[in-house]
Amino acid sequence: EVQLVQSGPEVKKPGESLKISCKASGYTFINYWIAWVRQMPGKGLEWMGITYPDDSDTRYSPSFRGQVIISADTSGNTAYLEWSSLKASDTAIYYCARPITPGRYYFFGMDVWGQGTTVTVSS
Amino acid sequence: QSALTQPASVSGSPGQSITISCTGTRSDIGGYNYVSWYRQHPGKVPQLMIYDVSHRPSGISNRFSGSQSGNTASLTISGLQADDEADYYCSSYTSTSALFVFGTGTKVTVL
Repeated sequence: EVQLVQSGPEVKKPGESLKISCKASGYTFINYWIAWVRQMPGKGLEWMGITYPDDSDTRYSPSFRGQVIISADTSGNTAYLEWSSLKASDTAIYYCARPITPGRYYFFGMDVWGQGTTVTVSS
Repeated sequence: QSALTQPASVSGSPGQSITISCTGTRSDIGGYNYVSWYRQHPGKVPQLMIYDVSHRPSGISNRFSGSQSGNTASLTISGLQADDEADYYCSSYTSTSALFVFGTGTKVTVL
């Protein structure tokens, strides 16, 4: 079964660092892009960025460039989303997702989603 | 980058058909055939309903169909059912960032 399993909920203070994970199984990890999506409380979906594990090509949406780091570990079939200094406004649910079609040149329709990681940042 | 524009809410009675619009620009919807639609029930994970404008993933009912004309994409749900009550988001590739942009989201209510 194709799955993306994300790490558990996090409660952090402003200024702390955090790295959440998304472990893939049931498919060839390096052949599909992995995207990260943010959903703030009561709000809509926002694309954060994507990474292609095979060659580490990583792209960020303008709003998130410089704010987070997206990476992937091919030995562990795991993608990561990382913050160096959290803010209260980072409080949200974060989803990882995989496109329906493999390959370097397709990263559009996301048909496999992780269960989401809730990140709460509060002093 | 600006989000794609969707109506805040659309409603219909069971069995009826409804259409959700998603308006963008030539830099996104109008320039490419990479529109996707996602359904999200409250507290649940988003689900892909349509990709590449009009393609349905395996397991998605043919009651869901997608189309595109100019800078506007549309999702039509026919034979409306209670389980269709959810938030729906469109998404498109955008040359502005060479990535994606989501729509503002539409709440579908089954009367």
